[in-house]
Amino acid sequence: QKEVEQDPGPLSVPEGAIVSLNCTYSNSAFQYFMWYRQYSRKGPELLMYTYSSGNKEDGRFTAQVDKSSKYISLFIRDSQPSDSATYLCAMGNYGGATNKLIFGTGTLLAVQP
Amino acid sequence: DTAVSQTPKYLVTQMGNDKSIKCEQNLGHDTMYWYKQDSKKFLKIMFSYNNKELIINETVPNRFSPKSPDKAHLNLHINSLELGDSAVYFCASSPRADTQYFGPGTRLTVL
Repeated sequence: QKEVEQDPGPLSVPEGAIVSLNCTYSNSAFQYFMWYRQYSRKGPELLMYTYSSGNKEDGRFTAQVDKSSKYISLFIRDSQPSDSATYLCAMGNYGGATNKLIFGTGTLLAVQP
Repeated sequence: DTAVSQTPKYLVTQMGNDKSIKCEQNLGHDTMYWYKQDSKKFLKIMFSYNNKELIINETVPNRFSPKSPDKAHLNLHINSLELGDSAVYFCASSPRADTQYFGPGTRLTVL
């Protein structure tokens, strides 16, 4: 079983829809959680990060973490064609010198105009 | 102002050759990383350096050798390239473990 599971999609939605992207994880030691957006042929770009259970909002984006269920989500409101990209969840824990991020496989999102 | 830059952007080479990829960051971060992203978009860490010192080596073949001449640079040298090395290689840097900033990637194709 992978440490982080993410549905690869593709997920196709009409413009203006609310998008929900999800990851589950197995390692209860994870302490921080992030979402990266990766456009085609570009590097991953940090979108949001959070450390605790609950919601964190930034503009049209909301990151949600449920540590008891080992489940994280990214919601995109009023989705735009420019949101079309691969979304990668990532997580890790503070373990001294060997801190590292574990990534999900990414969900490909297409927002249709 | 490019925060994390990599050269070259594309690299096409024959099996058995040796090649290098260079990475530079101007963010003043202490920690730098190399990641490999396969054709299914799975991003996996290969190496991590903190202040020029190797701190993570993720069971990568010995043919891969990172070198950090200073904390702003982390290069990756690959010997005896194999078909399975074809991938996109990303450099990243971070001020701390939880926020990593990625470069644009180097797309390596081994023929």
